[in-house]
Amino acid sequence: GAGVSQSPSNKVTEKGKDVELRCDPISGHTALYWYRQSLGQGLEFLIYFQGNSAPDKSGLPSDRFSAERTGGSVSTLTIQRTQQEDSAVYLCASSSGQDYTYEQYFGPGTRLTVT
Amino acid sequence: AQSVSQHNHHVILSEAASLELGCNYSYGGTVNLFWYVQYPGQHLQLLLKYFSGDPLVKGIKGFEAEFIKSKFSFNLRKPSVQWSDTAEYFCAVNGYGNNRLAFGKGNQVVVIP
Repeated sequence: GAGVSQSPSNKVTEKGKDVELRCDPISGHTALYWYRQSLGQGLEFLIYFQGNSAPDKSGLPSDRFSAERTGGSVSTLTIQRTQQEDSAVYLCASSSGQDYTYEQYFGPGTRLTVT
Repeated sequence: AQSVSQHNHHVILSEAASLELGCNYSYGGTVNLFWYVQYPGQHLQLLLKYFSGDPLVKGIKGFEAEFIKSKFSFNLRKPSVQWSDTAEYFCAVNGYGNNRLAFGKGNQVVVIP
């Protein structure tokens, strides 16, 4: 079946602009995660959605970052007033339940470059 | 907070050599442990995982890992690597009841034919 998809695959933006990154999880998966992979920092957790529960936003690095998940499926990560340090690969993952032992399936990522 | 350490970020070895990648974590409670692999141009995918039971777990492609609770370690091994094992390997942990994964910074492994 189809895996996690993300769009765009690459995004180049000017410093100060807003960007939106999209994630389509695997159909039927109730849990959705955003991570960031940047040089020297490895993979960092950003935010987690589970069903209709309030999201765990504890990994968002600043208030310029926000995310929403509509209808329990597609998610959008928005970065406002982008800065050069926001350049990274943004990864989305989904899993089939809220049990933490469920495997997380990762998408291909969106490479964001802020010039 | 959970944290994961991986050493020897860049590893270069010849085909048929043995591979061992170290992973140490810090977390006081029950943990679940994972190794993910990212082949060139591909998604992150799960290599193996440990939740409970036998501390020696076997994954795909001949990889195995051993959980040593007293050393807070979950080292990855493969007795004989192939060129196709060239990839970046990430160790990850989540604590009991905590869904987020904490990742190490990864090991870039290059296997020379």
